[in-house]
Amino acid sequence: AQTVTQSQPEMSVQEAETVTLSCTYDTSESDYYLFWYKQPPSRQMILVIRQEAYKQQNATENRFSVNFQKAAKSFSLKISDSQLGDAAMYFCAYSSQGGSEKLVFGKGTKLTVNP
Amino acid sequence: EADIYQTPRYLVIGTGKKITLECSQTMGHDKMYWYQQDPGMELHLIHYSYGVNSTEKGDLSSESTVSRIRTEHFPLTLESARPSHTSQYLCASSELGRGRGSNTGELFFGEGSRLTVL
Repeated sequence: AQTVTQSQPEMSVQEAETVTLSCTYDTSESDYYLFWYKQPPSRQMILVIRQEAYKQQNATENRFSVNFQKAAKSFSLKISDSQLGDAAMYFCAYSSQGGSEKLVFGKGTKLTVNP
Repeated sequence: EADIYQTPRYLVIGTGKKITLECSQTMGHDKMYWYQQDPGMELHLIHYSYGVNSTEKGDLSSESTVSRIRTEHFPLTLESARPSHTSQYLCASSELGRGRGSNTGELFFGEGSRLTVL
């Protein structure tokens, strides 16, 4: 079974600085998707960024980018120019390609942004 | 914001009561999911559905049941609530993808229903 590990329960960053959240996963599949989801306090969880395993290029969405290392099974999220609105729980998630799209989530990293 | 709604947002009830958590989406998505999330913990899939009259149990065993009579509606029911059921329940939906690249895996989540059983 696939597992997702987030080794940082909490992280903090100064406003306008850069922070990197770590995620590792375990799978025997070669084709899959990886995601970072953001869950603000008492608000809906939303997708931040998605990476297809068959693509070598790292995904980027504005201030958010990933460092996808397939061989190392590592998928970190970098947030540049951090903003107060970035404060949230961030979950790394895995999904099999062509499957049921059931996501396997990590335990999450709570990000605090200090003004 | 995503068009998926959960009610109630907060519910405090006594042991033994029957409860139904409602979830509706207006996006026409075929797939719907229920996740259970304890504070500070990861999400665990408890039920999912691929369409009308389709329901499956997820990876985490749950005493709750679900139904899918209409595409847009996916309620979760607990026949007799217990303190161990205290948790947050998140509903989500996604499109039914076919073929490589169409299975985006993106889930759209509701705001959650926080259940406390006394």
